[in-house]
Amino acid sequence: KQEVTQIPAALSVPEGENLVLNCSFTDSAIYNLQWFRQDPGKGLTSLLLIQSSQREQTSGRLNASLDKSSGRSTLYIAASQPGDSATYLCAVRDSSYKLIFGSGTRLLVRP
Amino acid sequence: SQTIHQWPATLVQPVGSPLSLECTVEGTSNPNLYWYRQAAGRGLQLLFYSVGIGQISSEVPQNLSASRPQDRQFILSSKKLLLSDSGFYLCAWRPRTGAYGYTFGSGTRLTVV
Repeated sequence: KQEVTQIPAALSVPEGENLVLNCSFTDSAIYNLQWFRQDPGKGLTSLLLIQSSQREQTSGRLNASLDKSSGRSTLYIAASQPGDSATYLCAVRDSSYKLIFGSGTRLLVRP
Repeated sequence: SQTIHQWPATLVQPVGSPLSLECTVEGTSNPNLYWYRQAAGRGLQLLFYSVGIGQISSEVPQNLSASRPQDRQFILSSKKLLLSDSGFYLCAWRPRTGAYGYTFGSGTRLTVV
């Protein structure tokens, strides 16, 4: 059974810092991995989608990497801003129709 | 472009009352559709998914049911709500084929009192 773990559970950093969020999964047989952002009381916004054959994806200040063999992904946020404060969720799509989520990292960027 | 709509945004219902949450997708055909629940302080749990009209798969036994009466419409229902049904319900879709990502709706906050 696929399990997804995100570390840390919460993170507080001053504005301007570069930061890394970690995601690990137990079964390397995945189709792809998706990073989402969730603001309080809101739905999920897709940030990056990495296919199983890819090593990384970039969008603006965000960079996500994937090491499928070791079951790991990282989300790198450069030059963090208070507007980046949110919960970040990692999810893997396995060989079935299911998207399996980690429990998220709650990020606070202090002005 | 494709969009997904969920309503209502918030709902307060008494225990024992019925429930109907609706989700519709625009701009695509034959999507896979999903209902997730996010309970307070917990992760997202897949409740139901559908790969076609009338085809529903349930992930966990519960007090809820789902239906897909039309290709781009997905409905979450209950005949009698329980306190434990409270949570944030999210609908999502992805294309039927291809390694595409999921797109989520804005969610419905359900409070059962």
